[in-house]
Amino acid sequence: DAKTTQPPSMDCAEGRAANLPCNHSTISGNEYVYWYRQIHSQGPQYIIHGLKNNETNEMASLIITEDRKSSTLILPHATLRDTAVYYCIDKNTGNQFYFGTGTSLTVIP
Amino acid sequence: DAGITQSPRHKVTETGTPVTLRCHQTENHRYMYWYRQDPGHGLRLIHYSYGVKDTDKGEVSDGYSVSRSKTEDFLLTLESATSSQTSVYFCAISEPRQRPNYGYTFGSGTRLTVV
Repeated sequence: DAKTTQPPSMDCAEGRAANLPCNHSTISGNEYVYWYRQIHSQGPQYIIHGLKNNETNEMASLIITEDRKSSTLILPHATLRDTAVYYCIDKNTGNQFYFGTGTSLTVIP
Repeated sequence: DAGITQSPRHKVTETGTPVTLRCHQTENHRYMYWYRQDPGHGLRLIHYSYGVKDTDKGEVSDGYSVSRSKTEDFLLTLESATSSQTSVYFCAISEPRQRPNYGYTFGSGTRLTVV
């Protein structure tokens, strides 16, 4: 079962920042936090990952709390193409990812 | 998706018939995975492989078998398809030694309908 907890759905106005929260209360010290998204029925797509420090790439920013029990994915300027299901994952042992049901983000024009 | 191909993309089969789905990668990644995705359940791991001839069960492995005779191919077989196996099946690959490690790369999926 997924170890992470995410809200089932969120809305965001186009052009505004989308902040997607995730709780990973059982994360261990050497487990990374990964974020993926799935658009329509395509395969999930990697967005970003991090261990302790905040991370930023061309797609998003990842903020990880100091205790590492929660994180926030930030899409700085959401577009309609960002409408998707977003999954937060902490890597299990044995290199297996357990996906929950994620957060369905709807970007509203 | 770059480096990973699933076939077929769509299949309709009858209850009780055997079905084999294929995942092919050109990335030389050690790990390969089969997931199924159903409404309300997200992605659930069926089986995975951590090397040639090395496989293990995931959380929903009943009714499925896998084989990996080559690094590049991972086959998922439904020995006797049932309607409950109607789903979208995704293959994924990963290489833990890769730096930076981007986790999984997914295929485009196979939509299987059992009638």
